[in-house]
Amino acid sequence: GIQVEQSPPDLILQEGANSTLRCNFSDSVNNLQWFHQNPWGQLINLFYIPSGTKQNGRLSATTVATERYSLLYISSSQTTDSGVYFCAVGPTGTASKLTFGTGTRLQVTL
Amino acid sequence: GAGVSQSPSNKVTEKGKDVELRCDPISGHTALYWYRQSLGQGLEFLIYFQGNSAPDKSGLPSDRFSAERTGGSVSTLTIQRTQQEDSAVYLCASSFSRLGYTFGSGTRLTVV
Repeated sequence: GIQVEQSPPDLILQEGANSTLRCNFSDSVNNLQWFHQNPWGQLINLFYIPSGTKQNGRLSATTVATERYSLLYISSSQTTDSGVYFCAVGPTGTASKLTFGTGTRLQVTL
Repeated sequence: GAGVSQSPSNKVTEKGKDVELRCDPISGHTALYWYRQSLGQGLEFLIYFQGNSAPDKSGLPSDRFSAERTGGSVSTLTIQRTQQEDSAVYLCASSFSRLGYTFGSGTRLTVV
């Protein structure tokens, strides 16, 4: 099946810093989503972004499907951004069923 | 409803007992998914329902696991003869077609 690799696995930032999280995948996709899992375990959908660029406040994401990667940008990080960020992809043909990466654990400190 | 509702939020059961986990998706969402997350791990796909189509059961780890979705709405995940390795958080999500998933808060299952 499709492989999803996320980097870095862990990241510690000082409040106010910017960061870029990367997601590489091994096959063509027509579904890609980014999620944030907060410290209480709740998963929040950040973006549905199988291609192109989207922005939502301090967060933005870009997917280059032809090169099989996606980037999540966090600007002016806040302590509430802490948690685990997951990239999940749906391969072409089975697009609804997402395969999740192992996540990037982000800690934002004061 | 406004969100995806899962119950119970926590379940402790003895090894060998059967358990039922419930998921109430967002009204109008045609797709419903079950995943599980073991401690500190990523999410593992279990089963997927889309409308009236046959479910995709390819992720169910053994024949002790089964799920149904009644009337295109509420879903129940059943684990028979629970084992300690079944301990995990079981997460349900729903979506309209293949668009953005909305997850519930999960059921934390502990098998003792």
